[in-house]
Amino acid sequence: DIQMTQSPSTLPASVGDRVTITCRASQGINSWLAWYQQKPGKAPKLLIYKASSLESGVPSRFSGSGSGTEFTLTISSLQPDDFATYFCQHYKINPWTFGQGTKVEIK
Amino acid sequence: QAQLVQSGAEVKKPGASVKVSCQASGYPFTTYDINWVRQAPGQGLEWMGYVHPDSGNTGYAPKFQGRVTMTRDTSTSTAYLELTSLTSEDTGVYYCARRQYNFDCWGQGTLVTVSS
Repeated sequence: DIQMTQSPSTLPASVGDRVTITCRASQGINSWLAWYQQKPGKAPKLLIYKASSLESGVPSRFSGSGSGTEFTLTISSLQPDDFATYFCQHYKINPWTFGQGTKVEIK
Repeated sequence: QAQLVQSGAEVKKPGASVKVSCQASGYPFTTYDINWVRQAPGQGLEWMGYVHPDSGNTGYAPKFQGRVTMTRDTSTSTAYLELTSLTSEDTGVYYCARRQYNFDCWGQGTLVTVSS
């Protein structure tokens, strides 16, 4: 199975900060990576697919990059609505696995 | 727009089984796999398996093989997850999500509590 490792686990930040979350795959997954945002009590929401493609309706302050084994999610200017937990997930080959999550919290 | 609506919360005793439903609307049901993802309290996301609504083919994560069954009813555009031999470690929120490549539409989640 492909293991996904995110860092950091917790990220204290302030409104307006540039935020970067890293996700590493245990083997190459090309660009078959998605990023999700989850708020407490809610289902995850797709933000980025194919490593860098922005899902329709997602603000342009979110961006993704990377390929192979190393990926990043960047929020260019953190907004109050962005305090949440973020997960990466590969979809190269079954079983689809998720990173353990990064909680972006108020500093 | 595409929507997945899940059945309500369940409370089960250890050793029992649970069956959760996921009704799709707003898109052709047979076009996308329906996947199930579990989230234990305060934990991350764990993929359990999928059912292809057109063929009925399934694929399960090894951890759940033998204990999980995923089915579908195309007449009602509904997918089902059944999990047997429940233990306290099965307590969590169960989500259905449609997948073509990534999971682009999710149900609201169903809380399953296993307690004696």
